[in-house]
Amino acid sequence: NAGVTQTPKFRILKIGQSMTLQCTQDMNHNYMYWYRQDPGMGLKLIYYSVGAGITDKGEVPNGYNVSRSTTEDFPLRLELAAPSQTSVYFCASSYFGQGALRIQPQHFGDGTRLSIL
Amino acid sequence: QQQVKQSPQSLIVQKGGISIINCAYENTAFDYFPWYQQFPGKGPALLIAIRPDVSEKKEGRFTISFNKSAKQFSLHIMDSQPGDSATYFCAASRGDYKLSFGAGTTVTVRA
Repeated sequence: NAGVTQTPKFRILKIGQSMTLQCTQDMNHNYMYWYRQDPGMGLKLIYYSVGAGITDKGEVPNGYNVSRSTTEDFPLRLELAAPSQTSVYFCASSYFGQGALRIQPQHFGDGTRLSIL
Repeated sequence: QQQVKQSPQSLIVQKGGISIINCAYENTAFDYFPWYQQFPGKGPALLIAIRPDVSEKKEGRFTISFNKSAKQFSLHIMDSQPGDSATYFCAASRGDYKLSFGAGTTVTVRA
């Protein structure tokens, strides 16, 4: 089991460029999330998805887009990179069910370190 | 606006000592309070979690204390070991999935 896999691990972008951060999970989790982590700020939720075809904004969605065409994949798109988007990005997934299965932890990937210059 | 406030920002403890990290929240609708542990270069991993119907939960050397009336919860690491050196995040959510994280505490355990 690979868990949550993020690619690339590191990337340097120029201002105005675009890129897609990839995330895939092999645990058949229905919920997936994107966070950004900045020093001293904890993790902020960017977008999340409760299943294929369904996405919603989190706390800091501006400048980002997501799609969820399959259960396994949840890519994050930066259209016009800005210095403020320099951060470490984490993808996570969890199973959200009913009853005893409801309490399930979020599993995180190892992050993508993105610098925008 | 930080929905969950965490302190201290960092702490240093001697091997065998006790590490205490505190968190406070405002939203009384929160009903799930996990703690995550993160090592350098890795993603956070769930350490222990509690729901507001209990005041304490212990797993090995890690204990969560929860005070619903004060809207505070804390993590105690007993008999701290060098391998516990990491960043710890408290979090809170309503309904288990949209987590609001604290700013994190970097714990350094000196041998």
